[in-house]
Amino acid sequence: SYVLTQPPSVSVAPGKTARITCGGNNIGSKSVHWYQQKPGQAPVLVIYYDSDRPSGIPERFSGSNSGNTATLTISRVEAGDEADYYCQVWDSSSDHRGVFGGGTKLTVL
Amino acid sequence: EVQLVESGGGLVQPGGSLRLSCAASGFTFSSYWMSWVRQAPGKGLEWVANIKQDGSEKYYVDSVKGRFTISRDNAKNSLYLQMNSLRAEDTAVYYCARGGAVVTSAEFDYWGQGTLVTVSS
Repeated sequence: SYVLTQPPSVSVAPGKTARITCGGNNIGSKSVHWYQQKPGQAPVLVIYYDSDRPSGIPERFSGSNSGNTATLTISRVEAGDEADYYCQVWDSSSDHRGVFGGGTKLTVL
Repeated sequence: EVQLVESGGGLVQPGGSLRLSCAASGFTFSSYWMSWVRQAPGKGLEWVANIKQDGSEKYYVDSVKGRFTISRDNAKNSLYLQMNSLRAEDTAVYYCARGGAVVTSAEFDYWGQGTLVTVSS
């Protein structure tokens, strides 16, 4: 089965740029979606199809995907961005199953 | 406004059964793939199952195959998850999530607030 690997934690100072990676075998050939989850809340979509942003999501959130790594980039990080972030793909080689990365805890210092 | 409201969670003994429901509103339910995603306490998200618009295709994570059944009633705008032979490791918050209308590789753009299932004696 397809595996997505994320760093457990990323720390960044306010106003700086945070980069959260999502590794997978030839992930560049797949569409990657990113979700933000704050404590006690349901996940919220922040990036879809590698780099598209849903309405209401700040332009500070961006995404890229190439080779074996997809990246969620958060510019000018704010305290309110502190949350868990998950990448997700569909594994079409395995009966079209959904796959999530293990999640990354973003801490704003 | 799109809304997904889960219900049916609770405490159940190992080996028991539970049926989760998800009531959808604010969109044409019959036009979308739908999924169940779960999250064990303190753990990450895990996709559980999904179902095509007309119910003709269903897919499951290996750990629930043969025990869980996803279904939908488009006339009632509702999604279901029948969970049998429950195990302690099935303890989690279960979310209902909307998938794509056209392609199967789409994102989960709307989520419910989740319902907690606790499997314990």
